[in-house]
Amino acid sequence: EVQLVEWGGGLVQPGRSLRLSCAASGFIFDNYAMHWVRQAPGKGLEWVSGITWNSGALGYADSVKGRFTISRDNAKSSLYLQMNSLRPEDTAFYYCAKGDYGGGENFFDSWGQGTLVTVSS
Amino acid sequence: IVLTQSPATLSLSPGERATLSCRASQSLSSYLAWYQQKPGQAPRLLISDASYRATGIPARFSGSGSGTDFTLTISSLEPEDFAVYYCQQRSNWPLTFGGGTKVEIK
Repeated sequence: EVQLVEWGGGLVQPGRSLRLSCAASGFIFDNYAMHWVRQAPGKGLEWVSGITWNSGALGYADSVKGRFTISRDNAKSSLYLQMNSLRPEDTAFYYCAKGDYGGGENFFDSWGQGTLVTVSS
Repeated sequence: IVLTQSPATLSLSPGERATLSCRASQSLSSYLAWYQQKPGQAPRLLISDASYRATGIPARFSGSGSGTDFTLTISSLEPEDFAVYYCQQRSNWPLTFGGGTKVEIK
């Protein structure tokens, strides 16, 4: 069974940084692209960032480009999101999502339960 | 690529047929998926590549369309189907979602 468990969310002041992590199990992590998708409370889904199986390609939404950095450690079956210069509009649940193959243009066939990031002074 | 879903809200009774629409700002070929999200839960993949049901998804869910116009049909609504539905394209980065359609009990 695929399991994705995120952690690292919390309350942070505007301009500060936060690092999210996602631990994956139940599948061959190295074979699949991975993504972060967020959802502001009561709002729709927004793709944030994605990374191919071998970290050969990274993608970002315009809203986070230059501030967020995605990375992965295949040896640890883990995905990360370094979030810098956080803004109130970054407040959301952040989901770790598994891509349906190794390249980056994916559908998301498994999701974690999400971790809440609140950016407020 | 902008995805526009309609209607925003669909009020129906159990047993009725639901028809949800997703329109893309440019051709996607068949690179479109549908997700279901219930309150307090993560989204769940229902349909990929416009018409292929994901593992474990009941046959009452079906997808159709190609190019710019896509449809998700729920043939006969069960109580557990009342939720929000999103479409998503994987034609190119940035990956994008539609704004969602809420299927509520009438």
